[in-house]
Amino acid sequence: AQTVTQSQPEMSVQEAETVTLSCTYDTSESNYYLFWYKQPPSRQMILVIRQEAYKQQNATENRFSVNFQKAAKSFSLKISDSQLGDTAMYFCAFMKHVNTGKLIFGQGTTLQVKP
Amino acid sequence: NAGVTQTPKFQVLKTGQSMTLQCAQDMNHEYMSWYRQDPGMGLRLIHYSVGAGITDQGEVPNGYNVSRSTTEDFPLRLLSAAPSQTSVYFCASSSLRLDIGEKLFFGSGTQLSVL
Repeated sequence: AQTVTQSQPEMSVQEAETVTLSCTYDTSESNYYLFWYKQPPSRQMILVIRQEAYKQQNATENRFSVNFQKAAKSFSLKISDSQLGDTAMYFCAFMKHVNTGKLIFGQGTTLQVKP
Repeated sequence: NAGVTQTPKFQVLKTGQSMTLQCAQDMNHEYMSWYRQDPGMGLRLIHYSVGAGITDQGEVPNGYNVSRSTTEDFPLRLLSAAPSQTSVYFCASSSLRLDIGEKLFFGSGTQLSVL
């Protein structure tokens, strides 16, 4: 069975600085998808970034980028120029079967951006 | 488009009561699913469906029933509520093309407390 582990329950960062959230996963699959979701206090689930395992290039979305290490089964999220609005819980998620939409989530990391 | 609509947003039940959490989407998505979110455990898949008349179990199906009689609706039934079912419940939907960049759309969640 696939598992996703986020080993940092809580993190904090000063506004405008950079922070990296860690995620590791376990799978025997060679093709899969990885996601980072943001959940602000409103409880809404917001897709931040996605990575296809067959792509070697790390995904980037504005201030958000990932460091995808397939051999190490690691998928970290880097947030540059942190903003107060980035304060939220962040979930790493794994999708094994492309066309079932079944996601396996990590435990989440609560990020607080301090002014 | 309303997206994914969940009702109710909050519910308090007594142990042994039954209820149905409603979920509807207006995007003609084939895939619909229910997750529960518990502190320190991320989101866990309860049941999912890849089309009308087709449902399957996720990671934590015990105590929950689902049916998919239409493409739009995917209700989650608690037959005899237990305190262990106190959680936040999310419904999600997507087309079955998450491989080409389609998104998983989440509802706004239902906070359920079982006393």
